Amino acid sequence: DGGITQSPKYLFRKEGQNVTLSCEQNLNHDAMYWYRQDPGQGLRLIYYSQIVNDFQKGDIAEGYSVSREKKESFPLTVTSAQKNPTAFYLCASSSTSGSTDTQYFGPGTRLTVL
Amino acid sequence: AQSVTQPDIHITVSEGASLELRCNYSYGATPYLFWYVQSPGQGLQLLLKYFSGDTLVQGIKGFEAEFKRSQSSFNLRKPSVHWSDAAEYFCAVGARGFQKLVFGTGTRLLVSP
Repeated sequence: DGGITQSPKYLFRKEGQNVTLSCEQNLNHDAMYWYRQDPGQGLRLIYYSQIVNDFQKGDIAEGYSVSREKKESFPLTVTSAQKNPTAFYLCASSSTSGSTDTQYFGPGTRLTVL
Repeated sequence: AQSVTQPDIHITVSEGASLELRCNYSYGATPYLFWYVQSPGQGLQLLLKYFSGDTLVQGIKGFEAEFKRSQSSFNLRKPSVHWSDAAEYFCAVGARGFQKLVFGTGTRLLVSP
């Protein structure tokens, strides 16, 4: 089955530690995205990538980093510089051409900083 | 700047009653509009989308939405709500091709017996 997988589902981190969230897709989509979701704030874009080896900052990139070495994978690292990292993180992907300009989402990772 | 407003934070509807969730957008170009649904602790599932053509679009689970350009609205409707529809609903706007979606803050739907 085609889809987007995120791991782990739950992640706990101590203050001062970096942590990496995994996102993999087998939809053959060119574009991938990371969003952060906080209660009452909807989804906010952290980083996005249109193509392998290229990515751009979204609206709230400070304290986060990404890489895009493979088309299928777009891992997100939450660094110790992120002041309030506890949140629900959602990965998405989309085709960049044609009529299928729709973002499809993974199941999410809930990160809690202890 | 692009923005999406969902004016209702919470809505409670009796099971079997009709539903309308409001969405207003501000977008400079021709908008692509989406409704997503999210169950607690889950990712977002696409309900329906509007790109062009017929302004009344049908989606999954019996949902429909109507695009009204003059009112900058894209309201979501369902004629008869089921208890399983209880979830959070997000409206989003973007553009053709590669797109950065702008999301509303969501409306939580509660369904009473």
